[in-house]
Amino acid sequence: DTAVSQTPKYLVTQMGNDKSIKCEQNLGHDTMYWYKQDSKKFLKIMFSYNNKELIINETVPNRFSPKSPDKAHLNLHINSLELGDSAVYFCASSDDERQFFGPGTRLTVL
Amino acid sequence: SQQGEEDPQALSIQEGENATMNCSYKTSINNLQWYRQNSGRGLVHLILIRSNEREKHSGRLRVTLDTSKKSSSLLITASRAADTASYFCAPDTGRRALTFGSGTRLQVQP
Repeated sequence: DTAVSQTPKYLVTQMGNDKSIKCEQNLGHDTMYWYKQDSKKFLKIMFSYNNKELIINETVPNRFSPKSPDKAHLNLHINSLELGDSAVYFCASSDDERQFFGPGTRLTVL
Repeated sequence: SQQGEEDPQALSIQEGENATMNCSYKTSINNLQWYRQNSGRGLVHLILIRSNEREKHSGRLRVTLDTSKKSSSLLITASRAADTASYFCAPDTGRRALTFGSGTRLQVQP
């Protein structure tokens, strides 16, 4: 069974478009995250939700809006995509110590 | 920065040899975690060492922690080609989000 799943796995789109990435976890965790991994492999926290409430919001452009309809889902919506948004986006959930990552969504903005 | 910094950035060894990776951090921690990332995949939790522990073993993995020097090391003994991956350390400061560096890229030659 997949613990943390993300869709889509690949996303290729034009500048200026709006896109969403979905994440679901079946681990029963209360906390979920979105990370961005750039071309140099740095993995940066973007957002963290605990029980559907936003608890961490790093310096992320407000074009990025996370939405958590329930504690098992944390989606990421990106408006007006820019070239610099190209990266791999990872969703993760946590049991308050360890983090469990999804397989990643490779976003390419043309 | 709260992130761990891994050293070296890249490491290439022969199968059967041991691989040692180091991590340095700057703030006090609750625990420190090591993760592995295979190419094109999400991070996988390997081992967690608490701030009051000095050494921990898990299979072929040995982790040490020196809180006075704010450093940790990950030793993989008798490496295998399947150990080829990037390895990340993540100091947990209790902030409810981990911060990762750019990792050590390990290549194990068969």
